[in-house]
Amino acid sequence: GAVVSQHPSRVICKSGTSVKIECRSLDFQATTMFWYRQFPKKSLMLMATSNEGSKATYEQGVEKDKFLINHASLTLSTLTVTSAHPEDSSFYICSAAGGSGNTIYFGEGSWLTVV
Amino acid sequence: AQSVTQPDIHITVSEGASLELRCNYSYGATPYLFWYVQSPGQGLQLLLKYFSGDTLVQGIKGFEAEFKRSQSSFNLRKPSVHWSDAAEYFCAVGLMKTSYDKVIFGPGTSLSVIP
Repeated sequence: GAVVSQHPSRVICKSGTSVKIECRSLDFQATTMFWYRQFPKKSLMLMATSNEGSKATYEQGVEKDKFLINHASLTLSTLTVTSAHPEDSSFYICSAAGGSGNTIYFGEGSWLTVV
Repeated sequence: AQSVTQPDIHITVSEGASLELRCNYSYGATPYLFWYVQSPGQGLQLLLKYFSGDTLVQGIKGFEAEFKRSQSSFNLRKPSVHWSDAAEYFCAVGLMKTSYDKVIFGPGTSLSVIP
């Protein structure tokens, strides 16, 4: 079946630095990828929708200058958390739409801890 | 705007008992419907999905869900719960026309299983 890979699975960074999370569709082309954020014991909050070759569409309340999303190819989207602060610590999950079966596949998620 | 509600924040059942997790959605058209499961500290696993056709959908791990248009519901059921089913369950809705649209998650239901 289709697989979506996220990297890194866990990352710790210092406050003020930037960190990049990658989302790859391993065996299908994903024209659309989604980025979600999940706070502890909470549901998944959609941050943005990215389409290959175009700018991402951010949900209301999400700072696009802080959470940079790039969808440079049909198999790769990246989320860069710029000037990270402790409150950015969270679980970030990507998903990719495509493949056979007309469905959406989720990555395993990335734990970000900002210290 | 589309929305998803899961009325039960937390459910506790005995092992071997039957289970039903409720999900209601608000959407202008018939959405695509999903159920995901998330174990602590893990990513999401798709249990089942409904796009069209038979309103009773079979999924993995013995789960099934029934789409009821008149009630705007997509409840998840399992006839006999196993201790390993303890996890967080998310109902999600999406609208995919000619291209993929965003998927919105419900708040989740936490399932505990008593041995």
